[in-house]
Amino acid sequence: GAVVSQHPSRVICKSGTSVKIECRSLDFQATTMFWYRQFPKQSLMLMATSNEGSKATYEQGVEKDKFLINHASLTLSTLTVTSAHPEDSSFYICSAPSISSGAGELFFGEGSRLTVL
Amino acid sequence: AQKITQTQPGMFVQEKEAVTLDCTYDTSDQSYGLFWYKQPSSGEMIFLIYQGSYDEQNATEGRYSLNFQKARKSANLVISASQLGDSAMYFCAMREGRGYSTLTFGKGTMLLVSP
Repeated sequence: GAVVSQHPSRVICKSGTSVKIECRSLDFQATTMFWYRQFPKQSLMLMATSNEGSKATYEQGVEKDKFLINHASLTLSTLTVTSAHPEDSSFYICSAPSISSGAGELFFGEGSRLTVL
Repeated sequence: AQKITQTQPGMFVQEKEAVTLDCTYDTSDQSYGLFWYKQPSSGEMIFLIYQGSYDEQNATEGRYSLNFQKARKSANLVISASQLGDSAMYFCAMREGRGYSTLTFGKGTMLLVSP
C-alpha cells in the first residue's frame, strides 16, 4: 500500500522557537495532504489542507501565521510551528489520499509528538 | 451536530471473543464513505475497513466486518476472534461527497483485550 513518512517522530523545543515537521509520500504523488492535530485521548482534528503549488486551506480557528504549511513538491509537505508555546504541545499527523486506492482511504504518517517546554 | 458519533469511550473483551464498536453518522450527502482506523499507543493510524454509501453488501476484511445499516445511519465495526494485539483506540470516520477529500473522525473507542 501507499506509504507516508513523517519526520521527526518526537521533538522537544523551548518556548518561542520554531519547529518544522516534514511529511513525505514515498511511493505516490500527493497533490493534497492533510494535517491533523490530536490532543491526548482526543480525536484527530483537521488543521489544514496542503495543496501542491498553492496556498494551504486552514480550518476555522487555526492560525495560518502560526502554523505555516508549504507543499513545494508532489511528495513533500511541511508544517512549521512558529514561536511555539506549551499549549502547542500535541501530536501532529499528516495524511494523503492515494488515487491508486480503490477506497480512497487516507494514508497517514507516523505522527510527530511535539513537546514545548 | 456531530457528524460521527462513537458512544463507547471504552470497551473490554476477552481474547478470542467477538466485539462490536458502535458508530453512527450524520450527513445529507447521498454519496459518502465510512472508514475505520486503528490507533495503537505508538500513534500511527492503521486503515482497517471501508464502506461506500452505495455498497449493498457489508464490507469485510479478514477478522473485521462492518455492519452497515444505512437507514439507521450506523456503521458498526465487528472484530471477530479478538487478539491481544487488537488493544488500541479505534476511530470511525466519514468522507462526504466524491473525490479525495478529508475525513471527519469520531472521538474514538478504546478497546482492551484481556487474556
